[in-house]
Amino acid sequence: DAGITQSPRHKVTETGTPVTLRCHQTENHRYMYWYRQDPGHGLRLIHYSYGVKDTDKGEVSDGYSVSRSKTEDFLLTLESATSSQTSVYFCATGGSEQFFGPGTRLTVL
Amino acid sequence: AQRVTQPEKLLSVFKGAPVELKCNYSYSGSPELFWYVQYSRQRLQLLLRHISRESIKGFTADLNKGETSFHLKKPFAQEEDSAMYYCALSGANNLFFGTGTRLTVIP
Repeated sequence: DAGITQSPRHKVTETGTPVTLRCHQTENHRYMYWYRQDPGHGLRLIHYSYGVKDTDKGEVSDGYSVSRSKTEDFLLTLESATSSQTSVYFCATGGSEQFFGPGTRLTVL
Repeated sequence: AQRVTQPEKLLSVFKGAPVELKCNYSYSGSPELFWYVQYSRQRLQLLLRHISRESIKGFTADLNKGETSFHLKKPFAQEEDSAMYYCALSGANNLFFGTGTRLTVIP
């Protein structure tokens, strides 16, 4: 479990502000993912990365961007947060079998 | 298109009773399926993957290609099994998750 960490773990922000969430791994996994978890929707893929500087969109990518400048870190940015982006965000690494971080609870007021 | 369906959002069973969490999938190729579990205030963790054919914490799941199902079963539920369970289908280095089933085991 300690191989994947997320920061911050909780954040409250206001509509219109930018927010960046960080995922850090020590597993040296090539693939990293960002999901959001919402009641009734399960986990939905936002973006993923298949290597340094290589990223692609997932199912619900609108309003989000990502960056991966090194293997260990995968950043998720909400350019201008909206209330619909209130959610729990999970980072994961791996491939067909994935390992999850502890989650970040984001509230957009 | 890949899709995972978990028809039950909530499932309650009594301790010691059998439990079955349903999962159906649609996938054009040869599927690789998983069950993940999330206990209260914990991160998601892998419970089972169909190719390993293991029994973890008393849970088993059999892939039925004819019925496109991967139901999770346990003969005798325990209170510590109360959790959120997600069925997932592996695509091209992605996972497609169902909407989850919250299992409550009543003492």
